[in-house]
Amino acid sequence: EAQVTQNPRYLITVTGKKLTVTCSQNMNHEYMSWYRQDPGLGLRQIYYSMNVEVTDKGDVPEGYKVSRKEKRNFPLILESPSPNQTSLYFCASRALARSYNEQFFGPGTRLTVL
Amino acid sequence: DAKTTQPNSMESNEEEPVHLPCNHSTISGTDYIHWYRQLPSQGPEYVIHGLTSNVNNRMASLAIAEDRKSSTLILHRATLRDAAVYYCILRPPGTAGNKLTFGGGTRVLVKP
Repeated sequence: EAQVTQNPRYLITVTGKKLTVTCSQNMNHEYMSWYRQDPGLGLRQIYYSMNVEVTDKGDVPEGYKVSRKEKRNFPLILESPSPNQTSLYFCASRALARSYNEQFFGPGTRLTVL
Repeated sequence: DAKTTQPNSMESNEEEPVHLPCNHSTISGTDYIHWYRQLPSQGPEYVIHGLTSNVNNRMASLAIAEDRKSSTLILHRATLRDAAVYYCILRPPGTAGNKLTFGGGTRVLVKP
């Protein structure tokens, strides 16, 4: 089954404790991205990657890092989480072959930083 | 980015059609119109897209105005499973269209 998986689905942590949220897709998609969703603000893009070893900032990259060493994986790293990073995070991927190709989203990771 | 305007919420009875409007008066000639929906506790999922002509798929129909300044997503027979937030999104072609800009969407409530 074609899918985007994220782990963990839920995470409660404390300020300053480094964490990684993993994202993996099995569709051989070139493009992957991370969004955060907050009430009243909608989904905002954090980082994206056009292919292996190619990453770039989205609209709200501060406090986050990403890497793309393999095509299928795109982990989101919070080196020193802060309470304002409490949010619902979604990973997404799409094929770049056509402009209108749909994006596939993961199930989300709900992060709480105390 | 061109902007979309949608009603905050709509209600429907089960098995009845739902017409979800979207205004996008500043759409450019090459922008695709995409619809995604987000079911409770899930990530957004693709519903349908179009450029100029009306489109149908197994989930819904998309009716696009002749001047492209508005569109309507049609759920032909709403089920309880269709209760979700529906987002109308404009996607420019090329790499600029990689980032999806989600607005507030329309929350659809389906009553049994």
